[in-house]
Amino acid sequence: DIQMTQSPSSLSASVGDRVTITCRASQSISSYLNWYQQTPGKAPKLLIYAASSLQSGVPSRFTGSGSGTDFTLTISSLQPEDFATYYCQQSYITPYTFGQGTKLEIK
Amino acid sequence: QVQLQESGPGLVKPSQTLSLTCTVSGGSISSGSYYWSWIRQPAGKGLEWIGRIYTDGSTNYNPSLKSRVTISLDTSKNQFSLKLSSVTAADTAVYYCARVEFSRLAFDYWGQGTLVTVSS
Repeated sequence: DIQMTQSPSSLSASVGDRVTITCRASQSISSYLNWYQQTPGKAPKLLIYAASSLQSGVPSRFTGSGSGTDFTLTISSLQPEDFATYYCQQSYITPYTFGQGTKLEIK
Repeated sequence: QVQLQESGPGLVKPSQTLSLTCTVSGGSISSGSYYWSWIRQPAGKGLEWIGRIYTDGSTNYNPSLKSRVTISLDTSKNQFSLKLSSVTAADTAVYYCARVEFSRLAFDYWGQGTLVTVSS
């Protein structure tokens, strides 16, 4: 299985801050990398697919980049609704695997 | 607007079989452009992909669960289902059904999730 490792595991930030979350794959996955946002009690929501493509309806402050084994999710100016847990996920090969999550908290 | 809804027992006894159904509305499960998947999440933990089914009935399962999992399709009801046998407390989790669209290869629509507790 491809292991996905996110860093940091948790992050404290303020409204208006720019934050970056990193995801590393245990082997090359080309651009088959997706990012999800999950708030408590809710299903994950797709933000970014294919490493850098913004899902319809997702604000443009979310951007994704990377290829191969190293990827990033950047939120350019945090809004109150962005405080959540973020997961990366590879769709290069089954079994699909997820990172362990990054919990973004209000400072 | 596509919607997915999980249903099934919220409590299953150890060693028994967990059975869940996902009902899809707003689109046909028979469309050739999607995989239909199950994913689970233990309380306070991360996400684990269980498996997927295509419209022709072909399946792929997570090797960690493969010996206990069956995913099937009922196109007449626009549903797909999960069966997980010989459950233990470690199978207690929120179970989600989700759609993977071919051009994105990402889970673009999810059900709300259903909590299944394994306990006697």
